Amino acid sequence: QSALTQPPSASGSPGQSVTISCTGTSSDVGGYNYVSWYQQHPGKAPKFMIYEVNKRPSGVPDRFSGSKSGNTASLTVSGLQAEDEADYYCSSYAGINGYVFGTGTKVTVL
Amino acid sequence: QVQLQESGPGLVKPSETLSLTCTVSGGSISSYHWSWIRQPPGKGLEWIGYFYYSGSTNYNPSLKSRVTISGDTSKNQFSLNLSSVTAADTAEYYCARARTLGVPGPPYMDVWGKGTTVTVSS
Repeated sequence: QSALTQPPSASGSPGQSVTISCTGTSSDVGGYNYVSWYQQHPGKAPKFMIYEVNKRPSGVPDRFSGSKSGNTASLTVSGLQAEDEADYYCSSYAGINGYVFGTGTKVTVL
Repeated sequence: QVQLQESGPGLVKPSETLSLTCTVSGGSISSYHWSWIRQPPGKGLEWIGYFYYSGSTNYNPSLKSRVTISGDTSKNQFSLNLSSVTAADTAEYYCARARTLGVPGPPYMDVWGKGTTVTVSS
């Protein structure tokens, strides 16, 4: 199974919004509403941010939101803050093949 | 608050078997799914597989022939064995709890260990 495709980088100024895309196939993103997103700061473990496309675990700010259309999922970070600067990875359930992650996007807060 | 800690050799020789253990505290492995994920230096995440406390497993098809994940409830630990390693298996290895949050639905990796670095080199 191939990794989901994400843009290598995205950026925005404090207070602005940034949206990251995550493109897969009908065997993963398009086939299930089981997309999740992870935030990873340098040298740290990933942090669970979004599940089932658009649901937030307890403790995740509502500035983070998710959506999906067809084979592409998206993560939007609104009201960018300096602490949001990190790598972001999408992940999708892929049926009998388990899970596939995205290629990762580095978000820079200008 | 469940916490996970990876442990194992930091250096493995090519063709040998990589063996890592994840110790779970603050919760029992007799619930939920328990996963391994890896990240090569400077690259993205790769799901390796998971096991369920009942004994069932699910592995990444690309690694399936070399991977075994198992649990030891008496020690509240679960383990990863990856055989016939090469330099391509050099990575940060993470263990994680995978929990079902929606019904129905697959488990999500919601709590992660801090990771352990494994280098494959002679």
